[in-house]
Amino acid sequence: AQSVTQLGSHVSVSEGALVLLRCNYSSSVPPYLFWYVQYPNQGLQLLLKYTSAATLVKGINGFEAEFKKSETSFHLTKPSAHMSDAAEYFCAVSVAHGGSQGNLIFGKGTKLSVKP
Amino acid sequence: EPEVTQTPSHQVTQMGQEVILRCVPISNHLYFYWYRQILGQKVEFLVSFYNNEISEKSEIFDDQFSVERPDGSNFTLKIRSTKLEDSAMYFCASMGWGYGYTFGSGTRLTVV
Repeated sequence: AQSVTQLGSHVSVSEGALVLLRCNYSSSVPPYLFWYVQYPNQGLQLLLKYTSAATLVKGINGFEAEFKKSETSFHLTKPSAHMSDAAEYFCAVSVAHGGSQGNLIFGKGTKLSVKP
Repeated sequence: EPEVTQTPSHQVTQMGQEVILRCVPISNHLYFYWYRQILGQKVEFLVSFYNNEISEKSEIFDDQFSVERPDGSNFTLKIRSTKLEDSAMYFCASMGWGYGYTFGSGTRLTVV
C-alpha cells in the first residue's frame, strides 16, 4: 500500500525567501508522485509530476521537486516566494494500474503563508 | 485547455435526502474518479470508473454511494440518504491514456 507524509501542516515564509515543502512517501513498487496546489475555495491544480523519467521535475509557477529514492522523498521547492504562492499544497502518490495512473493517495496538505 | 466541469458548485441538502453530483469529464478521457475533501482534512479517493463499471472503490464508498455514466458524457455521484458527515467538497477527475488527472473545481455539499 502507498502512503504520503507531509511534514508541517503550516509553513510561513517571507516574500522572496526559499520555499521548501516536505513530502515523504511509502510504496512497495515504483511510484508516481505529484504535487497539487489548492487556492481557497478552488479545485486542485497540478503543479508537477514525477513518472519515472528525470528525477528533477520542473513545474508551473517556478516550482520544482526532486525525486530521491534513497530518502523516499519528493520535496517541493521554489527559490523565491511570491505573495500569490499562498495556498495549500498537497503531495500525492499513485501506482500505475493497467493503462492508467491509478488512484491518488494524498498527504494531509501543507498550508503555505507568505509574509510581505 | 479542456476542463472537467462540475455542477452545482454548492449544494445544500437536508439529512436523509438523496443528492446527485454531476460531472462532465474531458471528452476523450477514459478513466473517471470521485474524490472528497472534508473541511480541513486531506483529499480522499472514493471511486474509479472505467469501461462503464467501477474499477476500484475505497472503504468510504459504501452502499449509500453509487456512480453512473448515463449518457456517455455525464458522470454522476449519487448519495442515497445523506448524513451530516457527508458534508464535504467532492471532486471529479478524468484521465486519458497515459498519466495525468484533470480535476474539476468541485461541488461543496452541505448536509443540514
